Amino acid sequence: QSALTQPPSASGSPGQSVTISCTGTSSDVGGYNYVSWYQQLPGKAPKLLIYDVTKRPSGVPDRFSGSKSGNSASLTVSGLQAEDEADYYCSSYVGANNAHVIFGGGTKLTVL
Amino acid sequence: QLQLQESGPGVVRPSETLSLTCTISGDSVNRRNYNWAWIRQPPGKGLEWIGSIVYSGGTFYNPSLRSRVTISVDTSRSQLSLKLTSVTAADTAVYFCARDQNGGSCPDWGQGTLVTVSS
Repeated sequence: QSALTQPPSASGSPGQSVTISCTGTSSDVGGYNYVSWYQQLPGKAPKLLIYDVTKRPSGVPDRFSGSKSGNSASLTVSGLQAEDEADYYCSSYVGANNAHVIFGGGTKLTVL
Repeated sequence: QLQLQESGPGVVRPSETLSLTCTISGDSVNRRNYNWAWIRQPPGKGLEWIGSIVYSGGTFYNPSLRSRVTISVDTSRSQLSLKLTSVTAADTAVYFCARDQNGGSCPDWGQGTLVTVSS
């Protein structure tokens, strides 16, 4: 099972919006509403930003939003702030006989 | 507040077995709706799901690691464990334990522990 496809990098200026894509297949992203997004700062554990495609855990700002269309999911960061500069990873449940979870390769977000 | 802490040897020799423990505090590891997972990250690279164990005891493993991985829970000690056999340099990574609330969404993580495979 290959990793989900994310762009290696993305950037935006403070206050702007940036969208990061996550492309999979009908066996993962397209087949289930179990897409999550994580933010990882250097040397830290990942932090859950979005789960079940669109849901935000308590404490995550509403500047972060998720969506899905077909086999692709997206994370949008609105009103970019300097502290949003980090690595972002998507993940998806993979069903069928050998159920498991796969991650995307990660996207480095730079705030210009 | 749930807390997770990984522990284990920092160096493992090639072909040997990597064994890690995750000590869970702040809540009961035996809560019916709690599932647990191990995830790793090679230095400078992305995240890789190793596997998870659900509250009923069922396990789900990354197909690429399935033949070498065992994940278990010791509820009496509130500990999650990972065993990875026949390790190679490619298994060098920071290993994280996490609570998997459903479908791979993990709201709680340990800080991670670096394991280096080297002779």
